[in-house]
Amino acid sequence: AQSVTQPDIHITVSEGASLELRCNYSYGATPYLFWYVQSPGQGLQLLLKYFSGDTLVQGIKGFEAEFKRSQSSFNLRKPSVHWSDAAEYFCAVGARGDYKLSFGAGTTVTVRA
Amino acid sequence: DADVTQTPRNRITKTGKRIMLECSQTKGHDRMYWYRQDPGLGLRLIYYSFDVKDINKGEISDGYSVSRQAQAKFSLSLESAIPNQTALYFCATRPGRADYGYTFGSGTRLTVV
Repeated sequence: AQSVTQPDIHITVSEGASLELRCNYSYGATPYLFWYVQSPGQGLQLLLKYFSGDTLVQGIKGFEAEFKRSQSSFNLRKPSVHWSDAAEYFCAVGARGDYKLSFGAGTTVTVRA
Repeated sequence: DADVTQTPRNRITKTGKRIMLECSQTKGHDRMYWYRQDPGLGLRLIYYSFDVKDINKGEISDGYSVSRQAQAKFSLSLESAIPNQTALYFCATRPGRADYGYTFGSGTRLTVV
């Protein structure tokens, strides 16, 4: 079965600074990988996804993520954060041929002025 | 209207009471899911359904039951609510292709006192 680890529970970053959120997965083959964002009081919104091909994927809101098979990682990045990026971020993994996603515990991002 | 609608948005109930959380979707997707979110644990799968006649247990189904009344409707019931079922519950839907992510509802915050 697949699993996801998000090592950072909480990250604080200054507005305008860069952001990187870590995600490590466990799965025997190439997985489907997703990043979701949850703003306070809201549901989860899909930021980006990786299935195959180019290992650097672009998403919405200026986010990107890089799949590194050798490190079993799918880290999320943003070059310059905005106050509206304060939210909780979840990494998720899906197995090919399966239709369920496994989620990490989430990373809460605080943006300071 | 939202693609995935959950009702109620918030609910406080007493221990031992039966409660139903409802979910409807306008995406036309076959697959529907119920997750619960707890701080520090991420999202955990309760039940999922691939169509009206195909319902499956997730990793934490004990104490819960579901009903798929139609392709667009998927209800979650707590037969006898207990305090450790206090959580944020999400319904999600997904098309038949495994490389698509979920579309989530806005969640139901349930408190069992």
